[in-house]
Amino acid sequence: DIQMTQSPSSVSASIGDRVTITCRASQGISSWLAWYQQKPGKAPKLLIYAASSLQSGVPSRFSGSGSGTNFSLTISSLQAEDLATYYCQQANNFPLTFGQGTKVEIK
Amino acid sequence: QVQLLESGPGLVKPAGTLSLTCAVSGGSISGGNWWSWVRQSPGKGLEWIGEINHSGSTSYNPSLKSRVTISIDNSKNQFSLRLSSVSAADTAIYYCARKVVVANWFDPWGQGTLVTVSS
Repeated sequence: DIQMTQSPSSVSASIGDRVTITCRASQGISSWLAWYQQKPGKAPKLLIYAASSLQSGVPSRFSGSGSGTNFSLTISSLQAEDLATYYCQQANNFPLTFGQGTKVEIK
Repeated sequence: QVQLLESGPGLVKPAGTLSLTCAVSGGSISGGNWWSWVRQSPGKGLEWIGEINHSGSTSYNPSLKSRVTISIDNSKNQFSLRLSSVSAADTAIYYCARKVVVANWFDPWGQGTLVTVSS
């Protein structure tokens, strides 16, 4: 199985700050990576697919980059509604696997 | 837009069988998508369980394959999960989700249903 490792496990930032989360795959996955946002008590929601494509309706302050084994999700200007846990998921090999999550908190 | 809704017992006894159904509305289950089950537990995070397409072809996570069956009912626009020989380690929130056409990411997801394994 491909292991997905996210860092940090949690981050606390102020409104307006730039926040970057990284995700590393245990083997190359090209651009077959998705990012999800999970708000407390809710199901995950697709934010980014194909490593850098923004899902329809997702604010432009979210962006993704990377390929191969190293990926990142950036929130350019943190908003209060971005309080959530973010997960990466590799879409290259079965079984499909997820990172352990990064919790974003507001200072 | 497509919406998914899970249903089934919230409590299952150890060694029993967990059975859940996902009802799909706002679109046909008989299109080109694959339909998946994903679970979330504090200990193991998000775990892909398996998937099915409209013709009944399936793919399962090898870690669960011996205990999992996913089936589809095109006439009712729903698909189902059965997980046998459950233990406390199977306690989790179970989500159904649509896998997008020709890619392996999930959108949308159902709201999820908590299943607890306990006597």
